[in-house]
Order: sequence, then C-alpha cells, then structure tokens
Amino acid sequence: AQKITQTQPGMFVQEKEAVTLDCTYDTSDPSYGLFWYKQPSSGEMIFLIYQGSYDQQNATEGRYSLNFQKARKSANLVISASQLGDSAMYFCAMREGPNSGYALNFGKGTSLLVTP
Amino acid sequence: GAVVSQHPSWVICKSGTSVKIECRSLDFQATTMFWYRQFPKQSLMLMATSNEGSKATYEQGVEKDKFLINHASLTLSTLTVTSAHPEDSSFYICSARDREHLGYTFGSGTRLTVV
Repeated sequence: AQKITQTQPGMFVQEKEAVTLDCTYDTSDPSYGLFWYKQPSSGEMIFLIYQGSYDQQNATEGRYSLNFQKARKSANLVISASQLGDSAMYFCAMREGPNSGYALNFGKGTSLLVTP
Repeated sequence: GAVVSQHPSWVICKSGTSVKIECRSLDFQATTMFWYRQFPKQSLMLMATSNEGSKATYEQGVEKDKFLINHASLTLSTLTVTSAHPEDSSFYICSARDREHLGYTFGSGTRLTVV
C-alpha cells in the first residue's frame, strides 16, 4: 500500500503567488517524521522542511511552511511568493520508526512550474 | 553542513560489465546508508539499507547478488551493479544518516546508462 500519496502530478503557479502541494500519508507508527524535498533537473535532493509527529506547531522555513493536519494525516507544503527558481519536482517523504530501518519513503512527486 | 560526495556523477557502460558507485560522508559518520533508484519522471525507490559493518537489508524485488552493497567504514559505502543490463539504466542516489543528528544527507546522484 502506498504510504505517501501526492495526488498532483503537475502544478502551475504564477510568479509571486502562493502554491500548496498536497501530501497525505499512512502509518500506524505513533512516532514519525515528514519531509519535503525539492529535486531540480540536476537530480540533487534539496531538503526543504521537516515536521515531527509530536510537533505541536506547523513547521516553517523561510518561504516554506508545512500545513500539518495530524487527524487527517496530511502534510501539505505551502510555498509563498513563488519564484521562477522554484520550478522543480517536489517530493513528500515519511520516516517511520525502527521497524522500517528509518528509511525515507517517498511519494510520487509533484512537478511545479512557476510562470512569469 | 553535512556533505555526502557521490561518484561518479554519470557513467556509461557496456552491457555485461560492472559499475561501482561510491558515497563518502565528508564530515560526519554515516552509520546508516540508504540506496535509492529513480527512473525518469518517477519517485525514489528504496533499494537497500546498510549499517556500517553489517550486511545490507534489501527491499523486496531487489536482487542482492546483482546490486552489491558494501559499508565497511563509517565514511564510505559502495553500490556495485554487476553484469549491468540496459534495464539497469537509472539514476542512483545514496542518503546517509548519522546517529548524532538523525537527519538525512543525500549524495548528488549517479546517472547510469548501460548500452
């Protein structure tokens, strides 16, 4: 079963606008972590933001914020004031506990295109 | 910050030959290394997890005799694709985790093309 679901294969946003990338997850582990990564065409994985399952506040990192709704098992990424350089693939990932070896499980990704 | 150096960044090899990909943690001890494969326009799929000094744990469907993983030291892990075939052509990327910081540091990836 898919543990991380990203339902938006592609998204468009105009420069300077905000955009929300959706992510839902499935786990029975009470302790888990949620990550968002950006992957430009070069292939490198750029860490954006992290949310722990016990964190009370939504994570924020500059223009990135994570809308964490634990009961709904969603961890949407919000990018404010989009820039042309934000065009890339975005992956949501989850880290579960020791039984999974702490590996990151990735969603299928969302391709974001920022237009002028 | 933490850096993982992955080499080579790209390689073209003939069918039937073997290719070794290295990942070195430059300023931290990588107690765990994860190896992923990514086909074009797809997600990162976990191939195996290796802990320093232990045998790697392979995901279902990944042939351990074909994808040899060695993690002999806390700063070096290697993935060897043996008897490579065109269907092994993919983007391979490593991710290191250290016990102290518990974060994940990715290598820059290796684009393998088997002809």
